[in-house]
Amino acid sequence: NAGVTQTPKFRVLKTGQSMTLLCAQDMNHEYMYWYRQDPGMGLRLIHYSVGEGTTAKGEVPDGYNVSRLKKQNFLLGLESAAPSQTSVYFCASSPSQGSSYEQYFGPGTRLTVT
Amino acid sequence: GQNIDQPTEMTATEGAIVQINCTYQTSGFNGLFWYQQHAGEAPTFLSYNVLDGLEEKGRFSSFLSRSKGYSYLLLKELQMKDSASYLCAVKAVTGGGNKLTFGTGTQLKVEL
Repeated sequence: NAGVTQTPKFRVLKTGQSMTLLCAQDMNHEYMYWYRQDPGMGLRLIHYSVGEGTTAKGEVPDGYNVSRLKKQNFLLGLESAAPSQTSVYFCASSPSQGSSYEQYFGPGTRLTVT
Repeated sequence: GQNIDQPTEMTATEGAIVQINCTYQTSGFNGLFWYQQHAGEAPTFLSYNVLDGLEEKGRFSSFLSRSKGYSYLLLKELQMKDSASYLCAVKAVTGGGNKLTFGTGTQLKVEL
């Protein structure tokens, strides 16, 4: 089991460029999440999904779009990157049932927007 | 909304015991998580409390008091590899999806 994987690991964008971050999980989890982590701010939820074909906004959704076409994949898109989107992006997944519903995190994507 | 507070930094000595506190104010509560995050790595799950009391797991224990909106993570027999950030997170009751709200993390430095 690879768990949660993210591609790419690093990326540098110019302001206004677009990109898509890919998250994949092989644990058959229903729920998936995208977070950003900035110094002094902690992990903040961008968007999440409770199942294939569904998405919902989190705490900081502006400037991002997501899609969950397949259960195992959750894509995060930046249509027009801004320097304020420089951050480390983490994807996570969790089961919809269980004793603790813990979230499993991917290794992160370090994005710099210049 | 939810507000979670934890100290920004702590320093402790190898072999000692350290307690990292977390206080929270939430409109609904459905469990509290502790995660460990080493620099440049992903957070990894440590513990989960949904009822009052102490949960022990090896060198790590976590305590919850729902009436006080308070939790702590206790690390015993500290090792250098325990130097990391420790994240407290609360699970919301409403909205579905097992969403978590994270505190800003406590950076623990273990010294010789």
